[in-house]
Amino acid sequence: GAVVSQHPSWVICKSGTSVKIECRSLDFQATTMFWYRQFPKQSLMLMATSNEGSKATYEQGVEKDKFLINHASLTLSTLTVTSAHPEDSSFYICSAPGRVTEAFFGQGTRLTVV
Amino acid sequence: AQSVTQLDSQVPVFEEAPVELRCNYSSSVSVYLFWYVQYPNQGLQLLLKYLSGSTLVKGINGFEAEFNKSQTSFHLRKPSVHISDTAEYFCAVSVFSGNTPLVFGKGTRLSVIA
Repeated sequence: GAVVSQHPSWVICKSGTSVKIECRSLDFQATTMFWYRQFPKQSLMLMATSNEGSKATYEQGVEKDKFLINHASLTLSTLTVTSAHPEDSSFYICSAPGRVTEAFFGQGTRLTVV
Repeated sequence: AQSVTQLDSQVPVFEEAPVELRCNYSSSVSVYLFWYVQYPNQGLQLLLKYLSGSTLVKGINGFEAEFNKSQTSFHLRKPSVHISDTAEYFCAVSVFSGNTPLVFGKGTRLSVIA
């Protein structure tokens, strides 16, 4: 089946620094990727949709200047958390849509900002 | 817009007992329905999906779910649970079009007790 690889699986960074999370589709091309955020004991909330070759679209309330999304190629989308603060600590998950609206998820990234 | 309600945030159950995790959805258009499982600090794994056809859907790990259009429900069941089934379970919907993100319920924490 289709595989989406997300890296890193966990990261700890200092407040004020930036962190980049990569999401790769390993055996298929993904013109669209979705980025979700999950707070502890809560559901996944869609943050933004990255589109290859065009700007990402952000959900209401998500700061586009803080969460930079780049869809550099048909197999790679990146999420950069800029000037991270402790409140940005969360679990971030990417997914790519499959052929019949099935979604393939990355393994997730646990971000801890100290 | 679509929404998903998972009525139980936590479900404790003894090993080898049956379990049902409830899911109701709301949508003005036809939807696809999914159940995902998430183990700690991991991404989501698809358990099963309903696209069309038979309303009883069988998935991996012995799980099944039944689509009930009149009750707008898609409850997940397993006749006999194992310790390894302890995880977070998410019900999700997607509309009948490509490249759309999933809308998730808040999740149900299944705890299997030995």
